[in-house]
Amino acid sequence: QQPVQSPQAVILREGEDAVINCSSSKALYSVHWYRQKHGEAPVFLMILLKGGEQKGHDKISASFNEKKQQSSLYLTASQLSYSGTYFCGTERGSPFQGGSEKLVFGKGTKLTVNP
Amino acid sequence: DAGVIQSPRHEVTEMGQEVTLRCKPISGHNSLFWYRQTMMRGLELLIYFNNNVPIDDSGMPEDRFSAKMPNASFSTLKIQPSEPRDSAVYFCASSLGLVHPEYHNSPLHFGNGTRLTVT
Repeated sequence: QQPVQSPQAVILREGEDAVINCSSSKALYSVHWYRQKHGEAPVFLMILLKGGEQKGHDKISASFNEKKQQSSLYLTASQLSYSGTYFCGTERGSPFQGGSEKLVFGKGTKLTVNP
Repeated sequence: DAGVIQSPRHEVTEMGQEVTLRCKPISGHNSLFWYRQTMMRGLELLIYFNNNVPIDDSGMPEDRFSAKMPNASFSTLKIQPSEPRDSAVYFCASSLGLVHPEYHNSPLHFGNGTRLTVT
């Protein structure tokens, strides 16, 4: 059950903000966010665990609404270095709660930041 | 820390040939994942190991695909026989596994991938 990401692509000018959404039809235990630059490997950004939890990494932050089974990634005052494809990865549940440690990724959101 | 090491970086082969992709995880990591990336399907999980034991191989496309992890520092993904539709970038990733106390997955560290082209 692959999570659904939206939008599929977004183009910004440097300094503008963007929001990337990740939603699932199944209950989620946690959400991971990764960024992949062209021709490179995905790189970890952050993990969110609990409903309503928010985290920040520089000017990139995220929220996780466990009840709505969705997460959002917020990119504020975007920089050229933010360009890349953003993936959310979801865990259905802890193995100790009958879930799985399997991490399933969405198809990604391609972000382009122009000068 | 050398990171996750994959080889080869590029592989071009003809349909019907056997292909073996190799991965060396980060030392101390006890979970290893094989993903395949294509434009159409994105990042697909093929199989993952925990402490060298295959836990879930439900993502392996068919019997032509097999994966092994003979020890904590080495894993292989084999395709025999290969087909043009297997063309993709194959990533190996490793992690520390489940993190206490919530038992969620720790961050995945990806290798640089192997770009496979089957003609």
